[in-house]
Amino acid sequence: EAGVAQSPRYKIIEKRQSVAFWCNPISGHATLYWYQQILGQGPKLLIQFQNNGVVDDSQLPKDRFSAERLKGVDSTLKIQPAKLEDSAVYLCASSSSLQGVEAKNIQYFGAGTRLSVL
Amino acid sequence: AQTVTQSQPEMSVQEAETVTLSCTYDTSESDYYLFWYKQPPSRQMILVIRQEAYKQQNATENRFSVNFQKAAKSFSLKISDSQLGDAAMYFCAYRTGTFEYSGGGADGLTFGKGTHLIIQP
Repeated sequence: EAGVAQSPRYKIIEKRQSVAFWCNPISGHATLYWYQQILGQGPKLLIQFQNNGVVDDSQLPKDRFSAERLKGVDSTLKIQPAKLEDSAVYLCASSSSLQGVEAKNIQYFGAGTRLSVL
Repeated sequence: AQTVTQSQPEMSVQEAETVTLSCTYDTSESDYYLFWYKQPPSRQMILVIRQEAYKQQNATENRFSVNFQKAAKSFSLKISDSQLGDAAMYFCAYRTGTFEYSGGGADGLTFGKGTHLIIQP
């Protein structure tokens, strides 16, 4: 079974530029999460999707961050314009929402995108 | 809001010995899940072990086991017979169980700051 795919692995941009990250979850997983992990800290949830609807975006800086999951499968996270403090690893995770599935409450993570804002 | 605290920024252990990583959490919920994730330099978070709060029995997975003390809100990870491949960052994480049966609710993980585990050969 293929895992969570993310691209690119690395991205370097200058402040005020725009950047986008892509995530393809495990096949059949209805729930998708984006986390931000700043160096030396644990990941922090940015946004959660259930199929193509947003469940939780309370910690998403909406003035500069946006995310979409139009067809309920892959997702894109965008930053526009980027700030120095956005330098971090952006992790995508997915989980199954099927009742009775043993691993229903487990989130599986991709390898992340490391963003450096100069 | 829930919080997760890992008070050990770094731990070091000799290969083949046992090490315990500490985690405490704060919540007003009675139904929740706790996890330990491992993050090697490759950055991918790998699930090590999970514990359902309603289960009194401590979870075990091969060399990994937890000491879950619900009243004390403590969730420590014990690694037995440490191996060089165990070297990584370890994160403790909390997830609500509120939507377990209704589905579709906000259930993102709340992570601690992590413990860097060093294995001495």
